[in-house]
Amino acid sequence: DAGVIQSPRHEVTEMGQEVTLRCKPISGHDYLFWYRQTMMRGLELLIYFNNNVPIDDSGMPEDRFSAKMPNASFSTLKIQPSEPRDSAVYFCASSLPGGASHDGDTQYFGPGTRLTVL
Amino acid sequence: AQKITQTQPGMFVQEKEAVTLDCTYDTSDPSYGLFWYKQPSSGEMIFLIYQGSYDQQNATEGRYSLNFQKARKSANLVISASQLGDSAMYFCAMRERNTGNQFYFGTGTSLTVIP
Repeated sequence: DAGVIQSPRHEVTEMGQEVTLRCKPISGHDYLFWYRQTMMRGLELLIYFNNNVPIDDSGMPEDRFSAKMPNASFSTLKIQPSEPRDSAVYFCASSLPGGASHDGDTQYFGPGTRLTVL
Repeated sequence: AQKITQTQPGMFVQEKEAVTLDCTYDTSDPSYGLFWYKQPSSGEMIFLIYQGSYDQQNATEGRYSLNFQKARKSANLVISASQLGDSAMYFCAMRERNTGNQFYFGTGTSLTVIP
């Protein structure tokens, strides 16, 4: 398997622009997670999905952020309008439902998207 | 309360020596998984090792072992024979299986291996 795929790997945009980050989870994984990582705040869970349904979006910082998962193999995280404080590395990760085994439990990360908002 | 606590922001170890990175966790869920991830300066999050709450033996993966002390709720990572390439951030994480299957991460420990 190719692992979790994220695009773009780097994004530089200007304040006020719309940004869309994309993620393709590992085939067969029905949990998908979006994280944000900054030096100041560390690794933060933004939202996660189970079978394409958002389970917990309490980590989404504000209404400018939205996430969708239209099917099992694709998810987007959108920021509109973007602000300089949104600059961070955004990770997507996927996993199986969880079970008493390494394979069932482990979450695998994509390479991340480094977002810079000027 | 923090779900995952890593109390060592930074650690140094001599090359070829062993090092222990501390992790404690807090959960009332009897069914959970514990993980360690490595994040080198290149930025990717690399899964290292897994321990299930029902596992009787400590997990090992090559030079990595997880010292699982269930009663103390600790899951320390032991790296034996440290190499320069082990210099990275290390994150401890937990997944509670009966309460949403969410993952919780610690704040990380920065490990520097000295030649």
